[in-house]
Formats: sequence, C-alpha cells, structure tokens
Amino acid sequence: AQSVTQLGSHVSVSEGALVLLRCNYSSSVPPYLFWYVQYPNQGLQLLLKYTTGATLVKGINGFEAEFKKSETSFHLTKPSAHMSDAAEYFCAVSDQAGGSYIPTFGRGTSLIVHP
Amino acid sequence: DAGVIQSPRHEVTEMGQEVTLRCKPISGHDYLFWYRQTMMRGLELLIYFNNNVPIDDSGMPEDRFSAKMPNASFSTLKIQPSEPRDSAVYFCASTKQQGQGGNTIYFGEGSWLTVV
Repeated sequence: AQSVTQLGSHVSVSEGALVLLRCNYSSSVPPYLFWYVQYPNQGLQLLLKYTTGATLVKGINGFEAEFKKSETSFHLTKPSAHMSDAAEYFCAVSDQAGGSYIPTFGRGTSLIVHP
Repeated sequence: DAGVIQSPRHEVTEMGQEVTLRCKPISGHDYLFWYRQTMMRGLELLIYFNNNVPIDDSGMPEDRFSAKMPNASFSTLKIQPSEPRDSAVYFCASTKQQGQGGNTIYFGEGSWLTVV
C-alpha cells in the first residue's frame, strides 16, 4: 500500500529565503510522485511530477523536487520565496499496486511567507 | 479547453435538507473523483468512477452520501439528510488514464458547503 508523509503542517519563511517542503512516501513498487499547490479559495493544481527518467524535476514558478529512492523522499524546494508562493502544498504518490494508479495525497503543508 | 466545472460554488443549507453537488469533468477524461477537504481530516477521496462506473466508494462516510455518473459529462454527489459535520469543501476532479500512470489530476474550484 502506498502512503505519503508531509513533515510539518506549516512552514514559515521570509520573502527571498529558501523554501523546503518535505515529503516522504511508502510504495511497494516504483512510484509516480507529484506536488500539487492550492491557492486560497481554489482547487489543487499540478506543480510538478516525477514519472521516469531524471530524478530532478522542475515545475512551475521556480519550484523543483528531487526523487531520492534511497531516502524514499521527494522534497520540494525553491531558492527564493515570493509572497505569491503562500499556499497549501500537497505531495502525492501513485503506483500500480492493485492495478490502479489512483494517487494518495499527503495532509498538506501550509507555506507562509513573511515580508 | 474548459476545466472541471462544479456547481454550486457556495451553498448554505439547514440541517436535514438535501444537498446536491454537480460536476462536469474535462471532455475526454475517463476517471472522475469526488474529494472532501476539511481542516480536521485534510483531503479525503470519497468515491471515484471509471468510464461512468463507480469503482471504489469506500471513502463515502455513510449512507447519507450517494454519487452518480449518468454519463461521461456529468456527475452528482448527494447528501440526504445533511448534517453540520458535513460542512466542508467538496472537490470534483478528473483525469485521463494514459500509459503506465503518472497522470495529472485536474481539480475543479470546489463547492463550499455549510450546513447550519
């Protein structure tokens, strides 16, 4: 069975500082990994995803994530936070277990950006 | 291309009333999902359909909840009777199964339900 753990329900950074949101997963087979972002009063939208190939994945708005199989992690980073990055971020994992690719979402991490 | 369309965006209803939430998935998508989001429980998958057929409804909280997908372009989530603890944001989402997985799920903007 697949599962996702997001460390920290809230992360607070100053504008211009490094953003690091942590995600660890559990999967019995090679996983597909996703980060989704939810801005206030909106639905979730894809930020980036890892399927196969290069383990460093670049997404929209300057975000990137690295798949580390040995650490079962897929942490999200951005070198310099902007006020507009304030949102809820969800890590998700899917695999072929059971013949389905239905993703499992983490509990989410709220990113707070201070001026 | 239009995204996932949900209605109503906001609904306030009295306890005991029937609530119907509606969803139009993205054209050509073969999977449709209903999620519920609350502060306490986060994002929960309630039910999903494949080619209009319900596949897994194990997340539906109780018999007061029901979902239908009469055709590829329309789905409903119904709560009857509604209770204050049903207050949440309900998201509909869709995707098209392609290849070996890794498909992006597209979410609607949500239906904000308040039961008083």
